[in-house]
Parts: sequence; structure tokens; C-alpha cells
Amino acid sequence: SQQGEEDPQALSIQEGENATMNCSYKTSINNLQWYRQNSGRGLVHLILIRSNEREKHSGRLRVTLDTSKKSSSLLITASRAADTASYFCAARPFQGAQKLVFGQGTRLTINP
Amino acid sequence: NAGVTQTPKFQVLKTGQSMTLQCAQDMNHNSMYWYRQDPGMGLRLIYYSASEGTTDKGEVPNGYNVSRLNKREFSLRLESAAPSQTSVYFCASIDASGGAHNEQFFGPGTRLTVL
Repeated sequence: SQQGEEDPQALSIQEGENATMNCSYKTSINNLQWYRQNSGRGLVHLILIRSNEREKHSGRLRVTLDTSKKSSSLLITASRAADTASYFCAARPFQGAQKLVFGQGTRLTINP
Repeated sequence: NAGVTQTPKFQVLKTGQSMTLQCAQDMNHNSMYWYRQDPGMGLRLIYYSASEGTTDKGEVPNGYNVSRLNKREFSLRLESAAPSQTSVYFCASIDASGGAHNEQFFGPGTRLTVL
């Protein structure tokens, strides 16, 4: 079964608002990554947070990681229409080969 | 650099037909992956190749075979396609040398329909 679970499954907000997506995972991780997928396209890496990090920023993205709760959140600030996409978290398990276990994704719609 | 390329982009098969999905990367990455994505779902790992000459099963390997032809190319074969294999297939690669915590780079996907 998939390790990552995402919440909410779909989110619709107005342009300029902030969007928050949450991810939970089941086992110990080496790192957790967030990807974006535009409709009909492949996934694009957004940001990676290591298991010993609690927060990371990249432009308008802010990721937090709480290993005690096995959860992560992705915050997109000042959303734009171009942010409309599906967002996936992917957990790299602590042990084993470099495999990622993906969540089911959050479909984000930014309304102009 | 073209990154990760996949062929074909679209394919329609009849039940029982076979086909091979091709994937190539020009980033000199040592690890490559095949995923499938079903509607409203995340990606599930079919097979992966940690390095040239090695392949391992992922979460959903049944009905598929893979070949790591060389460092650049990693193909996925459906020997006898079934409607349950209707999906979008993504290939990805990563530079896993030195235990780096690197991102995966994805191809554009192959949309496969099995009738």
C-alpha cells in the first residue's frame, strides 16, 4: 500500500490566497519530497526536506516536517493561476534502495 | 539535455497484445524507475533499476518485465496486455551516487489504453 496520504484531495482557492496541503506517511524516512504535476504532464520536483530538518523554504514554498507525527505540509503563499496543478508528496524510506513512495495527491485549483 | 524521454506518447492495445515502452535519460543517472499512475491516484512503482545490470520489483510488478539495456535506457514490457493495465506510465531517473538525497527526474509519460 502507498505510504503517503494527502489531505485534502482537492482544494480550490482565490488567486492571492495561501494554499496548504498536508501529507502523512507510515515509516521512518530519509527525506520527504514534494512534486507538482500539471495536467497531462510528468512530475516536477519542487522541494526536498531531510529527516533532520523541520522547515524549509524555496521562493513562495514552505515545507514543514514533523517526524514525531510522521507528517509534512506544503504551503504555497500568494497563489497564482499558474499554481493550478496536482501536488504529490513522496517519502524516501530510511532503509533500502532509493525508492520513493508517493501519496495520492492534492488537486489545487487557483481561481482568478 | 533532453532529460528523460519516453516513447510512445500514446498507445492503444487489444487484450493479449504485447508492447515495450521505451525510456532513455541523458543525465548519466545510475538509477531508473517505472511507475504507473491511475486516475486520481499517486504513482505506484512497478520496477526499478538501481544501477546498470540490476533490476528489482516495486509495488506492482505483476504483468510487467523490464530491461536495463545500458546506463541510458530502461524499457518496460507488457507481454500480454490486460484492461487493468490501462494507465499512464512514467519513467524517472536519479543520480543516486554517493548516497545523494537527490530528486527524481520524470519523463512526460505514456498513456496506454488496453481494450
